[in-house]
Amino acid sequence: QSVLTQPHSVSGSPGQSVTISCTGTSSDVGGYNLVSWYQQYPGKAPKLMISEVSKRPSGVPDRFSGSKSGNTASLTISGLQAEDEADYFCCSHAGSYTFIFGGGTKLTVL
Amino acid sequence: QVHLVESGGGVVQPGMSLRLSCSASGFTFSSYGMHWVRQAPGKGLEWVAIVFYDGSNKYYGDPVKGRFAISRDNSKNTVDLQMNSLRVEDTAVYYCARGSGSYASAFDFGGQGTMVTVSS
Repeated sequence: QSVLTQPHSVSGSPGQSVTISCTGTSSDVGGYNLVSWYQQYPGKAPKLMISEVSKRPSGVPDRFSGSKSGNTASLTISGLQAEDEADYFCCSHAGSYTFIFGGGTKLTVL
Repeated sequence: QVHLVESGGGVVQPGMSLRLSCSASGFTFSSYGMHWVRQAPGKGLEWVAIVFYDGSNKYYGDPVKGRFAISRDNSKNTVDLQMNSLRVEDTAVYYCARGSGSYASAFDFGGQGTMVTVSS
């Protein structure tokens, strides 16, 4: 598998919740609790938002949460804010210390 | 705070070589695995390689296996990426990242990356 499958785009209004999915296989997402999520603004470096499926690094708002079921991981952003408009990428360990990213999802705050 | 400065990017012709370097500060470098991750213009992120905290093991993504080599110098807090037999499809911004958590699976990006353009 070349990349994990993410929706190309999602959108929501301020205050609403949105969920971004990340679908892989039993060899990556489904096989390990090692899914991470990144936020990226145009022209900027990515920023770690969630590690190991649901761990939130210090400084990341608790509006961001992660989960996993089977071969699909999800990032949920609640209480959507204008500053959340960005690209989001998932990543999973794929065995033998190799890693695979999702294609990315563009989040639009309406 | 993770601070990473990537350097060495530039414009090269297909088949040529280039060596990228990443200088790290703000954390105990010798305790962490280090990754290179790239992003082609307008595209998504792609994992390139990892080197263990002590340099003992290295793993690569399939597109670069056999052409790229990752290395580190814990005395200088640097991690390098030697890129040989470059192809047009290697054109990208290259980021180094600290690997944290289990299996170094979380990438802490602390720099702005360095641009590599492969073009004839």
